[in-house]
Amino acid sequence: GAGVSQSPRYKVAKRGQDVALRCDPISGHVSLFWYQQALGQGPEFLTYFQNEAQLDKSGLPSDRFFAERPEGSVSTLKIQRTQQEDSAVYLCASSPVLFSGRESYEQYFGPGTRLTVT
Amino acid sequence: GQQLNQSPQSMFIQEGEDVSMNCTSSSIFNTWLWYKQDPGEGPVLLIALYKAGELTSNGRLTAQFGITRKDSFLNISASIPSDVGIYFCAGRREYGNKLVFGAGTILRVKS
Repeated sequence: GAGVSQSPRYKVAKRGQDVALRCDPISGHVSLFWYQQALGQGPEFLTYFQNEAQLDKSGLPSDRFFAERPEGSVSTLKIQRTQQEDSAVYLCASSPVLFSGRESYEQYFGPGTRLTVT
Repeated sequence: GQQLNQSPQSMFIQEGEDVSMNCTSSSIFNTWLWYKQDPGEGPVLLIALYKAGELTSNGRLTAQFGITRKDSFLNISASIPSDVGIYFCAGRREYGNKLVFGAGTILRVKS
């Protein structure tokens, strides 16, 4: 079946531009996560949705970062007035609900969007 | 910043060798996950661990959830060239769903 897809795969933005990164989770997955991965580091949590509700946005580094998932499927991460320190790979992950109704903690990642701010 | 300490940072492998790596933390985690990431790709889930002391295998990979709940170990037996890549541990605390990742262990082939 189809995995998590992200677009664009690569984005170059001039400092000060706004960017929008898209994530299509695995069909039927309830939870969706965004992570930021700097070069040579592990992913760092940005924000988490359960269906359309944004339950945790504690990792968003500034108010220039905004994420939405209006219909509980596709999600968009928007970065306003990009800065050089925003250059990183942005990863999206999704996870399902188990038959028991319990949320799975296994997260499945997309290929990421590499953002370069010049 | 990273809250999980992964070691070693990098290692060289020769085909057929067994490989061990670990992840430690100063705080308790309720779930441990191990991922592998190839260049230009997202992390791929290898093994998930849910209970202290749990030992789980996936082919040539075996991972353990430490008894103290503050560490986890990954072993790869009889390594093959396609095992090269970056291995990440990730932990989930008791409350919340977000994962905390280590900085990764880079596996390279000995030439």
